Amino acid sequence: QQPVQSPQAVILREGEDAVINCSSSKALYSVHWYRQKHGEAPVFLMILLKGGEQKGHEKISASFNEKKQQSSLYLTASQLSYSGTYFCGTDHRGGAGGTSYGKLTFGQGTILTVHP
Amino acid sequence: KAGVTQTPRYLIKTRGQQVTLSCSPISGHRSVSWYQQTPGQGLQFLFEYFSETQRNKGNFPGRFSGRQFSNSRSEMNVSTLELGDSALYLCASSRTGQRGSETQYFGPGTRLLVL
Repeated sequence: QQPVQSPQAVILREGEDAVINCSSSKALYSVHWYRQKHGEAPVFLMILLKGGEQKGHEKISASFNEKKQQSSLYLTASQLSYSGTYFCGTDHRGGAGGTSYGKLTFGQGTILTVHP
Repeated sequence: KAGVTQTPRYLIKTRGQQVTLSCSPISGHRSVSWYQQTPGQGLQFLFEYFSETQRNKGNFPGRFSGRQFSNSRSEMNVSTLELGDSALYLCASSRTGQRGSETQYFGPGTRLLVL
């Protein structure tokens, strides 16, 4: 079952902040965040690992709440270049055991639009 | 380091035909995963290959198949094309695909249109 992202769309002015959430009904091993611009490949942003800390660099960071099976992506002081669709991809190995080679299950995406 | 490359970038086919898409992973990466992206279903996992072996498969019909060569390059094939197969097909590479901590790097995709 794919994770649920919220909100589905966000419109910002340059300099404003945004939070994108990703929730899973299954236990999470890791969460991967990507940004995709129209007509381009998804670009990796960061990975959050079970038992790991909040990650980030400069104005984009993310957190991982294992208990709630949720991850959140924080974009602060947004720039025009932040516009695009953000996807979370989840890895669910562990729990009952076994591996999930090379498979990420992606949410439906959050469309972020930043205006001048 | 060169990124993931995919060929061709665009394809137009008619129903009933078959198509082969190619993916060259980042040098040193041995795991290749394939995804289908459509507006309705989003990004969906097709299958993953490592050392010329399919290790994982998503919920797609048998018309979708793939293979991997000894140099880690991968191809996917769709036979008897249907209109619903129109999509962006993305491949992603990672070093081993075995750990959830590995990053998958995506190629630019092949946009397939079935008429």
